[in-house]
Amino acid sequence: SQTIHQWPATLVQPVGSPLSLECTVEGTSNPNLYWYRQAAGRGLQLLFYSVGIGQISSEVPQNLSASRPQDRQFILSSKKLLLSDSGFYLCAWREAYEQYFGPGTRLTVT
Amino acid sequence: AQTVTQSQPEMSVQEAETVTLSCTYDTSENNYYLFWYKQPPSRQMILVIRQEAYKQQNATENRFSVNFQKAAKSFSLKISDSQLGDTAMYFCAFMKEKASYGKLTFGQGTILTVHP
Repeated sequence: SQTIHQWPATLVQPVGSPLSLECTVEGTSNPNLYWYRQAAGRGLQLLFYSVGIGQISSEVPQNLSASRPQDRQFILSSKKLLLSDSGFYLCAWREAYEQYFGPGTRLTVT
Repeated sequence: AQTVTQSQPEMSVQEAETVTLSCTYDTSENNYYLFWYKQPPSRQMILVIRQEAYKQQNATENRFSVNFQKAAKSFSLKISDSQLGDTAMYFCAFMKEKASYGKLTFGQGTILTVHP
């Protein structure tokens, strides 16, 4: 069966520091992968998606970037965090017409 | 672009009773998918139910069922025999069938509290 992992689970970072969040999927190959952000416990906003290694599409202009160095690895990064980057970050993968989510990372920028 | 609207920020229900959560959407697409996701306090997003727009029959998963009205662009979730474990935030989501790369558009969510 497929599983999706995210780490770290919680992160507190100062403004201006770099960021790296990792997502890995097991039990499937060449999945579509997604990064979402959920601010203040409300709706999810799609940040990036990837249909294959090295293929990244950005949905909104922002301080973040994404990379997919391996088939089942998706990384969310920033060179310098802003206060507005605080939130809950969710990674998801797609099977047919359904998406399944990882446990998420809670990021607090201080 | 598609939009999804959940007009009920919060709702509450007594245990064992039935509750309906509302969702409307706007799209020019004819073929698409609609979803309800549940996010309990653990914040894990859990897929509750899926509806294909080309199907007239409403989807059902145990105590969860939907009322899909394509012409009205309405997609409500009915939870029967509510349980304390149903307490969560519920999100309605939309996915185009074609040329979407599986991207989901979410509503703002409805916080459901089930009282004993």
